[in-house]
Amino acid sequence: QVQLQESGPGLVKPSETLSLICTVSVYSIRSDYYWGWIRQPPGKGLEWIASVYHSGSTYYNPSLKSRVTVSVDTSKNQFSLKLSSVTAADTAVYYCARSNGVYGDQISDRYFDLWGRGTLVTVSS
Amino acid sequence: SYDLTQPPSVSVSPGQTATITCSGHKLGDKYACWYQQKPGQSPVLVIYQDTKRPSGIPERFSGSNSGNTATLTISGTQAMDEADYYCQAWDNSTGIFGGGTKLTVL
Repeated sequence: QVQLQESGPGLVKPSETLSLICTVSVYSIRSDYYWGWIRQPPGKGLEWIASVYHSGSTYYNPSLKSRVTVSVDTSKNQFSLKLSSVTAADTAVYYCARSNGVYGDQISDRYFDLWGRGTLVTVSS
Repeated sequence: SYDLTQPPSVSVSPGQTATITCSGHKLGDKYACWYQQKPGQSPVLVIYQDTKRPSGIPERFSGSNSGNTATLTISGTQAMDEADYYCQAWDNSTGIFGGGTKLTVL
């Protein structure tokens, strides 16, 4: 049973906005989890992009903050990522993930215990 | 910005102990976790909050974190443990990943 599933275009043109959705199943997005986006360029390491709580609190990677927006849609049990002004350097597998912890833990006490399968997004004209 | 440094590669013989380090300024004051990633697969959490093992992770995986270094130890390494391993911590609510270590079991 799929628990986190990324969806969105696999090809985005340079300078446009990358938009992805993560659909959460089994778990309520209103539960005490943070929901995050992590990416991995081909052949390279992991990079945290952003995390969001169901209340709307957001946390961004400072290096991407000016271009990133994350949000939650509790009615659909989904959260989303928007990355603007993309370039070839944004080509990567994008993962959504759940940050778990003890109830009430701050984000800094959390860990990514559940990951989606990832979706490859290529930036090219 | 805060950085986590890992050795690019570690080699170990089957049945021996593999040690992968992750270094960062006062890392011991933060929680460290570790992820295993096999080719074409999503990362899997193997250690969280320095020393804890998620359900389903074999006991041969253990972790520690003190001073400036977090360590992932795999005792009795098996061929199936060959993978990339990433450490991760939070600094001022910013998620930081180490560059990853490729573990080869020869």
